[in-house]
Amino acid sequence: EAGVVQSPRYKIIEKKQPVAFWCNPISGHNTLYWYRQNLGQGPELLIRYENEEAVDDSQLPKDRFSAERLKGVDSTLKIQPAELGDSAVYLCASSLEGPPSYEQYFGPGTRLTVT
Amino acid sequence: AQTVTQSQPEMSVQEAETVTLSCTYDTSESDYYLFWYKQPPSRQMILVIRQEAYKQQNATENRFSVNFQKAAKSFSLKISDSQLGDAAMYFCAYRLGGSQGNLIFGKGTKLSVKP
Repeated sequence: EAGVVQSPRYKIIEKKQPVAFWCNPISGHNTLYWYRQNLGQGPELLIRYENEEAVDDSQLPKDRFSAERLKGVDSTLKIQPAELGDSAVYLCASSLEGPPSYEQYFGPGTRLTVT
Repeated sequence: AQTVTQSQPEMSVQEAETVTLSCTYDTSESDYYLFWYKQPPSRQMILVIRQEAYKQQNATENRFSVNFQKAAKSFSLKISDSQLGDAAMYFCAYRLGGSQGNLIFGKGTKLSVKP
């Protein structure tokens, strides 16, 4: 079974430039998450999708961040324009919601550096 | 709001020895799950072990076991017979039960294994 796929693995951009990250979840997983992990910190949720619907985007900075999950499969997270403080690892995870554990499977992440 | 605290930024263990990583959490809920994730330098978060709050028995997965003290809100991870491949960041995480819960992570503990 293929895991969660993310691309690119690394991205370096100048501030004020746009950037996009792509995620393909595990086949059949209806829930998809985007997390941001700052250096030396644990991941923090940005947005959670159940199928095509964004059910929790309370932590997404909506002035510059946007996300979409068309057809309830893969997803794109965009930042426009990027700021220096956006440098972080962006992790995507997916799960098949339900007991017993709601286990989330993570992708390898995209390391973003904004210069 | 739920919080997760890992008070040990770094830990070190000799190969083949045992090490315990600490985690405390704060919640007023009774239905929740607790997890330990491992994040090696490759950045891929890997689930190590999970514990359902309603279960009194401590979870065990091969060399990994937990000490779940519900009243004290403590959830420590014990790694027995440590191996060089265990070296990584370890994150404790909390998830509210039901379909609305999101993972809340601690700041992590960096584990080094000495040969």
